[in-house]
Amino acid sequence: AQTVTQSQPEMSVQEAETVTLSCTYDTSESDYYLFWYKQPPSRQMILVIRQEAYKQQNATENRFSVNFQKAAKSFSLKISDSQLGDAAMYFCAYCRNKLVFGAGTILRVKS
Amino acid sequence: EAGVAQSPRYKIIEKRQSVAFWCNPISGHATLYWYQQILGQGPKLLIQFQNNGVVDDSQLPKDRFSAERLKGVDSTLKIQPAKLEDSAVYLCASSSDPPLAAIYNEQFFGPGTRLTVL
Repeated sequence: AQTVTQSQPEMSVQEAETVTLSCTYDTSESDYYLFWYKQPPSRQMILVIRQEAYKQQNATENRFSVNFQKAAKSFSLKISDSQLGDAAMYFCAYCRNKLVFGAGTILRVKS
Repeated sequence: EAGVAQSPRYKIIEKRQSVAFWCNPISGHATLYWYQQILGQGPKLLIQFQNNGVVDDSQLPKDRFSAERLKGVDSTLKIQPAKLEDSAVYLCASSSDPPLAAIYNEQFFGPGTRLTVL
């Protein structure tokens, strides 16, 4: 079965600084998708960024970018120019027919 | 476009009582998912419907949990009887018809129902 591991239960970053959240996963498949979701206190899961495994180029969405290392099964999220509104729980997720989530990383942003 | 609607937002019950959650997916979305998110964990898929048929219920505790999707639109998730360990947020999500042989179809999540079992 596929598993997703987020080894950082909590991270802090100063406003306007850069932070990287780590994620590793385990799969025997070669074709799949990886995601980072944001869950603020309102509990609404918001898709932040998506990476297709067959694409070597790392995905970017404005201040959010990923470092996808397929051989190492690693998928980290970099948030640049952190803002107070970035504070939330962040989940890494794997999908091949079914979404499998990691345990999450709480991100705190200090002003 | 209206999002996924869920009710109630909060529910507190005593153990051994019954509870039901309701979900209204995005209009036209054929696939509906129920997830359980225990505090400090990521969401775990309980059941997936394609229209009104069940696609995957492998992680649904069928001795106490049941779900239905009448007419392929709204869905209800029921717990009877509830246990302390059922305290969690129950998330509903929906997605449109997947492209043929697709391994991923974007899911849109509702705000969830927070259940507390005392």
